[in-house]
Amino acid sequence: GDSVTQMEGPVTLSEEAFLTINCTYTATGYPSLFWYVQYPGEGLQLLLKATKADDKGSNKGFEATYRKETTSFHLEKGSVQVSDSAVYFCALRGSNFGNEKLTFGTGTRLTIIP
Amino acid sequence: GAGVSQSPSNKVTEKGKDVELRCDPISGHTALYWYRQSLGQGLEFLIYFQGNSAPDKSGLPSDRFSAERTGGSVSTLTIQRTQQEDSAVYLCASSFGGGATEQFFGPGTRLTVL
Repeated sequence: GDSVTQMEGPVTLSEEAFLTINCTYTATGYPSLFWYVQYPGEGLQLLLKATKADDKGSNKGFEATYRKETTSFHLEKGSVQVSDSAVYFCALRGSNFGNEKLTFGTGTRLTIIP
Repeated sequence: GAGVSQSPSNKVTEKGKDVELRCDPISGHTALYWYRQSLGQGLEFLIYFQGNSAPDKSGLPSDRFSAERTGGSVSTLTIQRTQQEDSAVYLCASSFGGGATEQFFGPGTRLTVL
């Protein structure tokens, strides 16, 4: 079945550092890929998404590129801020007909120190 | 506008009791999803509704778990004869439809089974 493997946390960085959180997936066909974020005390919210190979999703300075050849969707940001401290989840939705569920990675807790 | 709401926000129950968790999706959203977030299992899909029908119940962990949706709106997740391993945060999400449309998540119900 579908699965998502995500970089284990926690990750601690200094403000303005470069961020990469790795995510790889296993799925048949061409799934849609997502990054969700959970800020402290808040619910899950969509950060960015990509629906086909070579698409780049971007939002709030974060980017991730759908790489079919490496089955990856790594999250990057050039300069992190304290306000980026949160738990980040990589997820996919399978491409087979009728499959509407999201399959999530285990989450990566990111802490940015000033 | 109002987001997805869930009630109660916290529920503490004794092993063996039944519990009902409620989800109010965003108005106009036809798709509704239940997920469970626990320390041991991460974020897991439970069930998906399109309108009042549940075409995918594959994530329900046992026959103690059931869910219904009425009027294409409110959904109730019922857990009978609760066990300690049912302790988790139960998340509800809704979307306009299937595919890669964004799923909007509620704040969750934290269930603790003593």
